[in-house]
Amino acid sequence: NAGVMQNPRHLVRRRGQEARLRCSPMKGHSHVYWYRQLPEEGLKFMVYLQKENIIDESGMPKERFSAEFPKEGPSILRIQQVVRGDSAAYFCASSQPSGGGYTFGSGTRLTVV
Amino acid sequence: RKEVEQDPGPFNVPEGATVAFNCTYSNSASQSFFWYRQDCRKEPKLLMSVYSSGNEDGRFTAQLNRASQYISLLIRDSKLSDSATYLCVVTANAGKSTFGDGTTLTVKP
Repeated sequence: NAGVMQNPRHLVRRRGQEARLRCSPMKGHSHVYWYRQLPEEGLKFMVYLQKENIIDESGMPKERFSAEFPKEGPSILRIQQVVRGDSAAYFCASSQPSGGGYTFGSGTRLTVV
Repeated sequence: RKEVEQDPGPFNVPEGATVAFNCTYSNSASQSFFWYRQDCRKEPKLLMSVYSSGNEDGRFTAQLNRASQYISLLIRDSKLSDSATYLCVVTANAGKSTFGDGTTLTVKP
């Protein structure tokens, strides 16, 4: 019973490139959340998704960032035209519909050079 | 004002000490409360849920005061392995949780 799977673990992109981060929730979990943690800062909510639906994207930057959770396959966080300030750890978490706390993936460390 | 506020610390305590962390939240509609632990900026891991009646798990005790919008975590008989950042988490409705910035604990021999 695998936990939340994120890949890649580490991603290096040059400024202006696109970054795609993937997250497969735990089996039985239908809710997916993305959080960002900048160096020396706390976890900041980005987006909450269910299958084929964005439920809350109040934490997503207005431009360059998008997220999806298709009917089949993992959830994708996409960052277009990355800038140095996007360098951070991006954590995905999943939960059951009834709540009860999150299970986090190991995160993707994005470095923009 | 932040939705969830924690004393960032750091708390430096000797082994065997008792240490308490506090957390306040601003949204009175908040429904669920948790403490997570994060080691060296790895993924956070759920430590325990927090209930109004209080709950205990071994050396850890969590308390919730809804009237004061206040959550606490007490660690007794601290171990070196308790060194970590402790995150207070509040969920206002089904889904999105808001994390505090964390309190750093270092337990020294």
